[in-house]
Amino acid sequence: ETGVTQTPRHLVMGMTNKKSLKCEQHLGHNAMYWYKQSAKKPLELMFVYNFKEQTENNSVPSRFSPECPNSSHLFLHLHTLQPEDSALYLCASSQEVGAQETQYFGPGTRLLVL
Amino acid sequence: GQNIDQPTEMTATEGAIVQINCTYQTSGFNGLFWYQQHAGEAPTFLSYNVLDGLEEKGRFSSFLSRSKGYSYLLLKELQMKDSASYLCAVTDSNYQLIWGAGTKLIIKP
Repeated sequence: ETGVTQTPRHLVMGMTNKKSLKCEQHLGHNAMYWYKQSAKKPLELMFVYNFKEQTENNSVPSRFSPECPNSSHLFLHLHTLQPEDSALYLCASSQEVGAQETQYFGPGTRLLVL
Repeated sequence: GQNIDQPTEMTATEGAIVQINCTYQTSGFNGLFWYQQHAGEAPTFLSYNVLDGLEEKGRFSSFLSRSKGYSYLLLKELQMKDSASYLCAVTDSNYQLIWGAGTKLIIKP
């Protein structure tokens, strides 16, 4: 039973649509992450929030826009996506950002861009 | 650049032992993680190594050699439920996790 939930689990959208992914963690953690997972590729870190402040933005295109209203919730707003953005989007949380911090993952949102 | 290498796929027999290797080249090293990910599910934490040597946890063990940039995950008494992808990840000097592409382990009866 995971302490990190994500909605929706599956999403199909056209390139002109706007949608949002939601992540919620029930673990009392202070750091939250967005990852992109494509088939047979390493997890790609997209954004990191520590105590609601964005600390990392790994050259992610502006069509992806994160929002972290509090330490328990994280959103990823999507607009004018491309077919190559189709992937599994994983949210994770950890107590803080640090070397030994175990990250706990949500089940992901499977996104298909047509 | 930063790089994590692990085999793409491995096959093993139920009840046997399998070793999944991971080699890394990163800017700094602050620990190495192994995660398990079943198809369609979230990655889940298996182990963390920061010092050289073997860490044993039930049927799973993880080994680290920092001088060689090398780790392995050892799975004993394999069960069908161990069929999954195993992800190796290294924390670099900026405390970012650098991930390998994962090793898909197939267990046959």
